[in-house]
Amino acid sequence: DGGITQSPKYLFRKEGQNVTLSCEQNLNHDAMYWYRQDPGQGLRLIYYSQIVNDFQKGDIAEGYSVSREKKESFPLTVTSAQKNPTAFYLCASSFDRAGTGELFFGEGSRLTVL
Amino acid sequence: AQSVTQPDIHITVSEGASLELRCNYSYGATPYLFWYVQSPGQGLQLLLKYFSGDTLVQGIKGFEAEFKRSQSSFNLRKPSVHWSDAAEYFCAVGAGNNNDMRFGAGTRLTVKP
Repeated sequence: DGGITQSPKYLFRKEGQNVTLSCEQNLNHDAMYWYRQDPGQGLRLIYYSQIVNDFQKGDIAEGYSVSREKKESFPLTVTSAQKNPTAFYLCASSFDRAGTGELFFGEGSRLTVL
Repeated sequence: AQSVTQPDIHITVSEGASLELRCNYSYGATPYLFWYVQSPGQGLQLLLKYFSGDTLVQGIKGFEAEFKRSQSSFNLRKPSVHWSDAAEYFCAVGAGNNNDMRFGAGTRLTVKP
Protein backbone atom coordinates (compact mmCIF):
# COMPACT_ATOMS: atom_id res chain seq x y z
CA ASP A 1 0.00 0.00 0.00
CA GLY A 2 1.14 3.52 -0.75
CA GLY A 3 1.83 5.84 2.10
CA ILE A 4 4.26 7.76 4.22
CA THR A 5 6.53 6.08 6.73
CA GLN A 6 8.11 8.00 9.57
CA SER A 7 10.71 6.63 11.91
CA PRO A 8 11.40 6.36 14.70
CA LYS A 9 7.98 6.68 16.33
CA TYR A 10 9.53 7.71 19.65
CA LEU A 11 12.93 9.28 20.16
CA PHE A 12 14.73 10.54 23.24
CA ARG A 13 17.60 12.96 23.01
CA LYS A 14 19.97 14.57 25.42
CA GLU A 15 20.43 18.30 25.23
CA GLY A 16 23.14 19.27 22.76
CA GLN A 17 22.60 16.30 20.46
CA ASN A 18 21.41 16.43 16.89
CA VAL A 19 18.78 13.91 15.84
CA THR A 20 17.45 12.97 12.42
CA LEU A 21 13.86 11.96 11.76
CA SER A 22 13.20 9.84 8.71
CA CYS A 23 10.35 10.32 6.25
CA GLU A 24 9.84 8.08 3.23
CA GLN A 25 6.92 8.09 0.77
CA ASN A 26 6.00 5.71 -2.03
CA LEU A 27 3.15 7.82 -3.40
CA ASN A 28 5.28 9.35 -6.15
CA HIS A 29 4.45 12.79 -4.80
CA ASP A 30 6.56 15.78 -5.75
CA ALA A 31 5.95 17.89 -2.65
CA MET A 32 6.89 16.99 0.90
CA TYR A 33 6.49 18.87 4.18
CA TRP A 34 7.57 18.77 7.81
CA TYR A 35 5.23 20.07 10.50
CA ARG A 36 5.65 20.48 14.21
CA GLN A 37 2.65 19.87 16.48
CA ASP A 38 2.44 21.22 20.03
CA PRO A 39 -0.62 20.92 22.26
CA GLY A 40 -3.10 23.71 21.64
CA GLN A 41 -1.14 25.17 18.71
CA GLY A 42 -2.14 23.11 15.72
CA LEU A 43 0.45 22.35 13.07
CA ARG A 44 3.26 24.70 12.13
CA LEU A 45 5.30 24.31 8.95
CA ILE A 46 9.03 23.77 9.42
CA TYR A 47 10.30 23.08 5.89
CA TYR A 48 8.87 22.03 2.57
CA SER A 49 10.23 20.74 -0.71
CA GLN A 50 8.59 20.82 -4.11
CA ILE A 51 11.24 18.97 -6.09
CA VAL A 52 14.41 17.01 -5.53
CA ASN A 53 17.42 19.03 -4.39
CA ASP A 54 15.28 22.02 -3.52
CA PHE A 55 13.62 23.01 -0.25
CA GLN A 56 12.28 26.12 1.41
CA LYS A 57 11.96 27.35 4.97
CA GLY A 58 8.55 27.38 6.55
CA ASP A 59 7.35 29.44 9.48
CA ILE A 60 9.59 27.90 12.17
CA ALA A 61 12.76 26.68 10.41
CA GLU A 62 15.28 27.92 12.98
CA GLY A 63 17.18 25.04 14.56
CA TYR A 64 16.13 22.54 11.89
CA SER A 65 17.67 21.32 8.64
CA VAL A 66 16.47 19.09 5.81
CA SER A 67 17.65 17.46 2.61
CA ARG A 68 15.88 16.15 -0.47
CA GLU A 69 18.32 13.98 -2.37
CA LYS A 70 15.66 11.54 -3.53
CA LYS A 71 12.03 12.07 -4.44
CA GLU A 72 10.94 9.50 -1.88
CA SER A 73 12.88 10.81 1.10
CA PHE A 74 12.79 14.02 3.12
CA PRO A 75 14.69 13.63 6.42
CA LEU A 76 14.54 16.30 9.12
CA THR A 77 17.45 17.01 11.46
CA VAL A 78 16.68 18.67 14.76
CA THR A 79 19.88 20.42 15.72
CA SER A 80 21.16 21.47 19.11
CA ALA A 81 20.29 25.03 18.10
CA GLN A 82 16.58 24.27 18.43
CA LYS A 83 15.75 25.67 21.85
CA ASN A 84 12.59 23.71 22.54
CA PRO A 85 12.67 20.55 20.43
CA THR A 86 10.30 18.38 22.46
CA ALA A 87 7.27 17.96 20.17
CA PHE A 88 5.37 15.70 17.82
CA TYR A 89 6.72 15.90 14.27
CA LEU A 90 4.61 15.11 11.24
CA CYS A 91 5.77 14.54 7.69
CA ALA A 92 3.34 15.02 4.83
CA SER A 93 3.31 14.87 1.07
CA SER A 94 1.10 16.05 -1.76
CA PHE A 95 0.97 15.38 -5.47
CA ASP A 96 2.12 18.92 -6.10
CA ARG A 97 2.23 22.20 -4.23
CA ALA A 98 -1.17 23.32 -5.49
CA GLY A 99 -3.49 24.32 -2.71
CA THR A 100 -6.24 22.09 -3.99
CA GLY A 101 -4.26 19.00 -3.19
CA GLU A 102 -4.78 16.75 -0.23
CA LEU A 103 -1.95 16.40 2.26
CA PHE A 104 -1.10 12.81 3.15
CA PHE A 105 0.44 12.44 6.59
CA GLY A 106 2.71 9.94 8.23
CA GLU A 107 2.00 8.67 11.73
CA GLY A 108 4.45 11.06 13.32
CA SER A 109 7.57 10.97 15.45
CA ARG A 110 7.52 12.06 19.06
CA LEU A 111 10.79 13.62 20.18
CA THR A 112 11.54 14.12 23.85
CA VAL A 113 14.60 15.99 25.06
CA LEU A 114 15.83 14.77 28.43
CA ALA B 1 -1.95 36.06 5.48
CA GLN B 2 -4.79 33.72 6.18
CA SER B 3 -5.62 32.37 9.63
CA VAL B 4 -8.10 30.00 11.16
CA THR B 5 -9.75 29.81 14.57
CA GLN B 6 -11.39 26.83 16.20
CA PRO B 7 -13.22 28.31 19.19
CA ASP B 8 -13.84 25.02 20.99
CA ILE B 9 -10.82 23.27 22.49
CA HIS B 10 -12.79 20.27 23.74
CA ILE B 11 -16.32 19.02 23.06
CA THR B 12 -18.11 16.07 24.64
CA VAL B 13 -21.17 14.51 23.02
CA SER B 14 -23.17 11.39 23.66
CA GLU B 15 -23.06 8.57 21.16
CA GLY B 16 -25.88 8.98 18.68
CA ALA B 17 -26.14 12.73 19.23
CA SER B 18 -25.49 15.28 16.53
CA LEU B 19 -22.19 17.12 16.28
CA GLU B 20 -21.09 20.53 15.05
CA LEU B 21 -17.48 21.69 15.24
CA ARG B 22 -16.86 25.35 14.55
CA CYS B 23 -14.24 26.86 12.29
CA ASN B 24 -13.77 30.52 11.44
CA TYR B 25 -11.21 31.75 8.95
CA SER B 26 -9.68 35.02 7.91
CA TYR B 27 -8.71 35.51 4.28
CA GLY B 28 -9.38 38.20 1.73
CA ALA B 29 -10.20 36.00 -1.22
CA THR B 30 -12.04 32.74 -1.64
CA PRO B 31 -10.21 30.29 0.59
CA TYR B 32 -9.39 26.66 0.18
CA LEU B 33 -10.88 24.99 3.27
CA PHE B 34 -10.20 21.59 4.76
CA TRP B 35 -11.14 19.44 7.72
CA TYR B 36 -8.68 16.80 8.94
CA VAL B 37 -9.06 14.23 11.72
CA GLN B 38 -6.29 12.86 13.94
CA SER B 39 -6.57 9.80 16.15
CA PRO B 40 -4.25 9.72 19.17
CA GLY B 41 -0.61 9.29 18.22
CA GLN B 42 -1.44 9.19 14.52
CA GLY B 43 -1.13 11.42 11.50
CA LEU B 44 -3.95 13.47 10.03
CA GLN B 45 -6.53 12.20 7.55
CA LEU B 46 -8.54 14.39 5.22
CA LEU B 47 -12.29 14.39 5.93
CA LEU B 48 -13.42 16.87 3.29
CA LYS B 49 -12.43 19.99 1.40
CA TYR B 50 -14.01 23.01 -0.25
CA PHE B 51 -12.65 25.05 -3.16
CA SER B 52 -15.66 26.35 -5.02
CA GLY B 53 -19.18 25.46 -6.09
CA ASP B 54 -21.76 23.93 -3.79
CA THR B 55 -21.23 25.34 -0.32
CA LEU B 56 -22.30 22.10 1.37
CA VAL B 57 -19.63 19.47 0.95
CA GLN B 58 -19.80 15.83 1.85
CA GLY B 59 -16.85 13.93 3.22
CA ILE B 60 -15.87 10.54 4.47
CA LYS B 61 -17.26 8.82 7.56
CA GLY B 62 -20.61 10.61 7.24
CA PHE B 63 -19.26 14.11 7.85
CA GLU B 64 -20.32 17.25 6.02
CA ALA B 65 -19.34 20.90 6.20
CA GLU B 66 -20.93 24.11 5.05
CA PHE B 67 -19.05 27.13 3.75
CA LYS B 68 -20.68 30.40 4.76
CA ARG B 69 -18.86 33.33 3.23
CA SER B 70 -20.89 35.94 5.11
CA GLN B 71 -19.86 34.41 8.43
CA SER B 72 -16.33 33.36 7.37
CA SER B 73 -17.12 29.92 8.68
CA PHE B 74 -16.70 26.31 7.63
CA ASN B 75 -18.37 24.24 10.35
CA LEU B 76 -18.17 20.47 10.40
CA ARG B 77 -21.29 18.44 11.14
CA LYS B 78 -22.38 14.88 11.65
CA PRO B 79 -25.98 13.86 12.36
CA SER B 80 -25.18 10.91 14.64
CA VAL B 81 -21.82 10.47 16.33
CA HIS B 82 -20.23 7.05 16.81
CA TRP B 83 -17.75 6.16 19.55
CA SER B 84 -15.07 5.74 16.87
CA ASP B 85 -15.38 9.44 16.00
CA ALA B 86 -13.52 10.36 19.19
CA ALA B 87 -10.41 12.14 17.92
CA GLU B 88 -8.96 15.58 17.35
CA TYR B 89 -10.29 17.61 14.45
CA PHE B 90 -8.37 20.29 12.61
CA CYS B 91 -9.70 22.95 10.31
CA ALA B 92 -7.24 24.33 7.76
CA VAL B 93 -7.31 27.22 5.31
CA GLY B 94 -5.14 27.56 2.23
CA ALA B 95 -4.47 30.35 -0.21
CA GLY B 96 -3.51 28.38 -3.28
CA ASN B 97 -0.31 26.61 -2.28
CA ASN B 98 -0.03 23.83 0.26
CA ASN B 99 2.96 25.51 1.84
CA ASP B 100 0.67 28.44 2.72
CA MET B 101 -1.84 26.28 4.54
CA ARG B 102 -2.73 27.32 8.07
CA PHE B 103 -4.14 24.93 10.64
CA GLY B 104 -6.37 25.71 13.57
CA ALA B 105 -5.41 24.64 17.06
CA GLY B 106 -7.79 21.70 16.91
CA THR B 107 -10.93 20.54 18.72
CA ARG B 108 -10.76 17.36 20.76
CA LEU B 109 -13.95 15.32 20.58
CA THR B 110 -14.94 12.95 23.38
CA VAL B 111 -17.87 10.60 22.82
CA LYS B 112 -19.83 9.39 25.87
CA PRO B 113 -21.42 5.95 25.72
